[in-house]
Amino acid sequence: EDQVTQSPEALRLQEGESSSLNCSYTVSGLRGLFWYRQDPGKGPEFLFTLYSAGEEKEKERLKATLTKKESFLHITAPKPEDSATYLCAVQGHAGNMLTFGGGTRLMVKP
Amino acid sequence: GAVVSQHPSRVICKSGTSVKIECRSLDFQATTMFWYRQFPKKSLMLMATSNEGSKATYEQGVEKDKFLINHASLTLSTLTVTSAHPEDSSFYICSARATGGWTDTQYFGPGTRLTVL
Repeated sequence: EDQVTQSPEALRLQEGESSSLNCSYTVSGLRGLFWYRQDPGKGPEFLFTLYSAGEEKEKERLKATLTKKESFLHITAPKPEDSATYLCAVQGHAGNMLTFGGGTRLMVKP
Repeated sequence: GAVVSQHPSRVICKSGTSVKIECRSLDFQATTMFWYRQFPKKSLMLMATSNEGSKATYEQGVEKDKFLINHASLTLSTLTVTSAHPEDSSFYICSARATGGWTDTQYFGPGTRLTVL
């Protein structure tokens, strides 16, 4: 059974204070690891897909990295508008469904 | 690109009535769509996988006679909550699977807030 664990559950940062969110996973043959951003009362917004260990992807202040056991979402010099819940999910070779972690609720204070 | 819409965004209904929620992929075709339920401050819980032209696959514990899913075209899936009760009140989110080349990504709709009185 695929499993995803995200830490921390909540993270408070000052504006400009860089940090990382962790996503640990176990999956039977990784087809893809996905990062989404979700704002309150809205659906998840797609950020990145990572397919193999060593892969990195960047978008503005966000950078996602992947190893064989975990993924990190690095946030550089965050701004208050980066406040959201960040969800990590994996897709294994067994099917099309995603297995989600519990999410990390990020709060960036000005 | 890869936009998914849901309608309605909010619905309030009386106990015992049925509610239909539509999920549309606006700029791509999706043979597979998914329906999720999300409780406050919790992650997404997969309810069912909707396949175009065939029966939906429901996750364990999800009543298929209560949550009717129809995927009649490559851009539309519907979820009907039948004989709704207050415990069905929740945030329902759909996603559509976009595949092309070697990419395989689920794009999510904005969600539907259902309140059953």
